[in-house]
Amino acid sequence: SQQGEEDPQALSIQEGENATMNCSYKTSINNLQWYRQNSGRGLVHLILIRSNEREKHSGRLRVTLDTSKKSSSLLITASRAADTASYFCATDAAGAQKLVFGQGTRLTINP
Amino acid sequence: DTGVSQNPRHKITKRGQNVTFRCDPISEHNRLYWYRQTLGQGPEFLTYFQNEAQLEKSRLLSDRFSAERPKGSFSTLEIQRTEQGDSAMYLCASSSWTSKNEQFFGPGTRLTVL
Repeated sequence: SQQGEEDPQALSIQEGENATMNCSYKTSINNLQWYRQNSGRGLVHLILIRSNEREKHSGRLRVTLDTSKKSSSLLITASRAADTASYFCATDAAGAQKLVFGQGTRLTINP
Repeated sequence: DTGVSQNPRHKITKRGQNVTFRCDPISEHNRLYWYRQTLGQGPEFLTYFQNEAQLEKSRLLSDRFSAERPKGSFSTLEIQRTEQGDSAMYLCASSSWTSKNEQFFGPGTRLTVL
């Protein structure tokens, strides 16, 4: 079964707007990672945030982590048509190597 | 290309047949993972190797499934007596023990069981 949930399940915005996706999880974690998946393809690693970090940036991506609420958010600024994809958060618990994924947010950027 | 590679990319088989998939991880990575993803869902963990040792298996990995990593490099995942419910994308990932568990995924093998 999935560890957590992404919210919203689907998001459609205009090119140039910002996109925010949220992820909630259930158990204590070591790290939280965000991945992108284009239709029918493998997952592309975007960013990893450790449990003792609160915010991380990479290019147009900003990730926040609130361990007290067991939640994370991914912000994509100045969205582009090429950002159209599904986005997944994945967590790993202390002492565990496997990643537990949410169900993903399907993001559509309209030109 | 030094990323994770998987072969074949697509496999169509008839129910009851056996299939085998191969994964070649990033060369310096000693950890290798298999996940399964069905349509509209996130990937689900199947099994994990550190070098050649299989250290964890999910309950999803029934006795029809077997995975090996004989020399600690490439890995194979075999499904015996395939069922229609095995139709899914099978994803392989690798990581280095120094990398905070950043896992890098291959393109996947899409299995269709008719």
